[in-house]
Amino acid sequence: GENVEQHPSTLSVQEGDSAVIKCTYSDSASNYFPWYKQELGKRPQLIIDIRSNVGEKKDQRIAVTLNKTAKHFSLHITETQPEDSAVYFCAASIRIVPNFGNEKLTFGTGTRLTIIP
Amino acid sequence: NAGVMQNPRHLVRRRGQEARLRCSPMKGHSHVYWYRQLPEEGLKFMVYLQKENIIDESGMPKERFSAEFPKEGPSILRIQQVVRGDSAAYFCASFPGLAEPSRYNEQFFGPGTRLTVL
Repeated sequence: GENVEQHPSTLSVQEGDSAVIKCTYSDSASNYFPWYKQELGKRPQLIIDIRSNVGEKKDQRIAVTLNKTAKHFSLHITETQPEDSAVYFCAASIRIVPNFGNEKLTFGTGTRLTIIP
Repeated sequence: NAGVMQNPRHLVRRRGQEARLRCSPMKGHSHVYWYRQLPEEGLKFMVYLQKENIIDESGMPKERFSAEFPKEGPSILRIQQVVRGDSAAYFCASFPGLAEPSRYNEQFFGPGTRLTVL
C-alpha cells in the first residue's frame, strides 16, 4: 500500500518568512496530493491540492510543487502570518478515471508549524 | 465543510462499553470515509462506504469495530468493548464522487468525534 513520509515534524518560522514542508510517497500510481491544515481540536481543512498532470500550483501565499519522478511534493507558504500556525498534513490518493473508485487518503504524520511574531 | 455532521462531538466511555459514532454526509453525497487520529498523529484510513455497501474496510481492526451506511440515516461507526487504546478523534469525510466532477477528489471532513475511554 501507499506510504507517505513528511518532514519536518516541527517547524518554527519568523513572521514574514517562508515555510516549506516536504513529503514523499511510495506508490507511483498515486495521482492526487492534497494538503490539509488542522488547528487544535478542529477538523482538517483542505488548503490546496495538486494532481499529477501539473508540476506546480499556487493560491495566493500558498504553493505546492510535485516531482513525479522523485515521488515527492512540497508545500510552500510565503509571508507567513501568526494565523498560519497549525498542524499541516500532506496526503496522497489514486484517482480512477473515468469512473471514480476508492480514493482513500494516505496521510503523512504532520508538521506542527509555529509562526513567531 | 459545515455540511458534514458528526455526533456526538465528545464521547466518554468506560472500558468494555460500546461506542456509536454517527456521520451525516453533505447533502447529495453518498460516499463516506472514516479516519482515526490518535493523539499527536496523522489520520489513518479505516473504512470506505457507499449507501448500503462497504467498499473497503482494510483499515478497520479485525475485531470489535464495524461500520454501516444504511439507505436512510447517517453512517455509523460502532466500537464494541472499548479499550483505552481506542481513545482518539474519529473523523468522517464526505465525498461527492461523480455528483460534482469539478471537485472530484475533494473529501469534506466533519468536525470529528473525540472518544475518551476511561
